[in-house]
Amino acid sequence: GAVVSQHPSRVICKSGTSVKIECRSLDFQATTMFWYRQFPKQSLMLMATSNEGSKATYEQGVEKDKFLINHASLTLSTLTVTSAHPEDSSFYICSASVAGVENIQYFGAGTRLSVL
Amino acid sequence: KQEVTQIPAALSVPEGENLVLNCSFTDSAIYNLQWFRQDPGKGLTSLLLIQSSQREQTSGRLNASLDKSSGRSTLYIAASQPGDSATYLCAVRLGGGADGLTFGKGTHLIIQP
Repeated sequence: GAVVSQHPSRVICKSGTSVKIECRSLDFQATTMFWYRQFPKQSLMLMATSNEGSKATYEQGVEKDKFLINHASLTLSTLTVTSAHPEDSSFYICSASVAGVENIQYFGAGTRLSVL
Repeated sequence: KQEVTQIPAALSVPEGENLVLNCSFTDSAIYNLQWFRQDPGKGLTSLLLIQSSQREQTSGRLNASLDKSSGRSTLYIAASQPGDSATYLCAVRLGGGADGLTFGKGTHLIIQP
C-alpha cells in the first residue's frame, strides 16, 4: 500500500526557533497533501491543504506566516513552524492523496513537537 | 461547519466481548467516512472506508455501518482482544478532491486481558 514518511518523529526546541517537518510519499505521487495538528485530548484538526506547485490553503484561524508550507514536488511537502512558542507544542501529522485517487488519504506517523 | 462526535469517549471491556463505537456528524452531505486506529504517540492506521453510497464495510472482526441521512456511523468490533486497545477515530470528508478530513475526538478503548 501507499506509504507516507514523516520526519522527524519527535522534536524538542527552544522558544523562538523554527522547526521544519517533512512529509514524503514514498511510492506514489501526491498532488495534494494535508497538514493536521492534535492538541492533548482534542481531535485532529486540519491546518492546511497543500497542492504541488501552488500556495497552500489554510483553514480559518491558522496563521499562514507562522506555519509555512512548501509543496515543491509531487512527493514532498514541508511544514515550517516559525518562531515556535510553547503554545505551538502539539502533534503534527500529514496525509497525502494518490494522484487520481483522491478519495483516500494516507497518513504519516506524525511529529511530536515540544517547545520549551 | 461539520462537527463529528464520538461516543463513548472511553470504554473498558473484558477480552472477548463484542462492542460498538458510535460516531455522528452534523452535515449529511459527506463524500466518505473513515474509521482509524491511533496508538499512543503514533500515526493513524486506516481501518475501514465507507463511501457515501455504501451502507457498510467489513474487514475481519471489524464492521462499519453508515446511515448518511441520519448522520451516524457505528464501528462494531467482534470478539475483542487486548491488541485492539487503542484510540479509534471517526472522520468524514465533504468533498472528493481537495477536502481534508473532519475528525471526532475519538474513543479510547481498553480491552482487559
